[in-house]
Amino acid sequence: RKEVEQDPGPFNVPEGATVAFNCTYSNSASQSFFWYRQDCRKEPKLLMSVYSSGNEDGRFTAQLNRASQYISLLIRDSKLSDSATYLCAVNHGSGYALNFGKGTSLLVTP
Amino acid sequence: EAQVTQNPRYLITVTGKKLTVTCSQNMNHEYMSWYRQDPGLGLRQIYYSMNVEVTDKGDVPEGYKVSRKEKRNFPLILESPSPNQTSLYFCASRGTVTYEQYFGPGTRLTVT
Repeated sequence: RKEVEQDPGPFNVPEGATVAFNCTYSNSASQSFFWYRQDCRKEPKLLMSVYSSGNEDGRFTAQLNRASQYISLLIRDSKLSDSATYLCAVNHGSGYALNFGKGTSLLVTP
Repeated sequence: EAQVTQNPRYLITVTGKKLTVTCSQNMNHEYMSWYRQDPGLGLRQIYYSMNVEVTDKGDVPEGYKVSRKEKRNFPLILESPSPNQTSLYFCASRGTVTYEQYFGPGTRLTVT
């Protein structure tokens, strides 16, 4: 089983829609979780950290489910500019390395 | 401005010709790492460094070398590049308080 898995998509959604991505991880000792956004082969940029209690940043909500070992990202009121690949990242729990999923592609259409 | 820089941004070279990709960060971060990104394979870690003179292999270290002589710099060395090292390379850094990691702009390498 891969350490961090994401549905590659693509997710095609109309503007204004709500879309959710999940990311599962295999290492139950993982401590830190993140969502990154990557545009068209540019560098990944940190979108938000994922806290145990869940957290929200504007239209974006991240949640952690330790029992089922997944994190989620919810995007409300999708904008054209949200079109990108979303990467989840999880630390191994045994050091400094971050393990990335392969990303979920989102395309928001007019 | 806090940033991670990489040079060159684009490089086309031939098999066997040694090259170095530089990486520098101005955030005084202890931890730095190198990734390669290939279609369908995602981001894979090549090497990482937890501090000056402390480096270790990531998931795909074969064919690469690194050094960490100064805290701000973490160059990636390809002693004898081969076509299977054609890829998009990212350097990243972070501090020790959180795992939030910041990436450089990437280096697109083509080995013919």
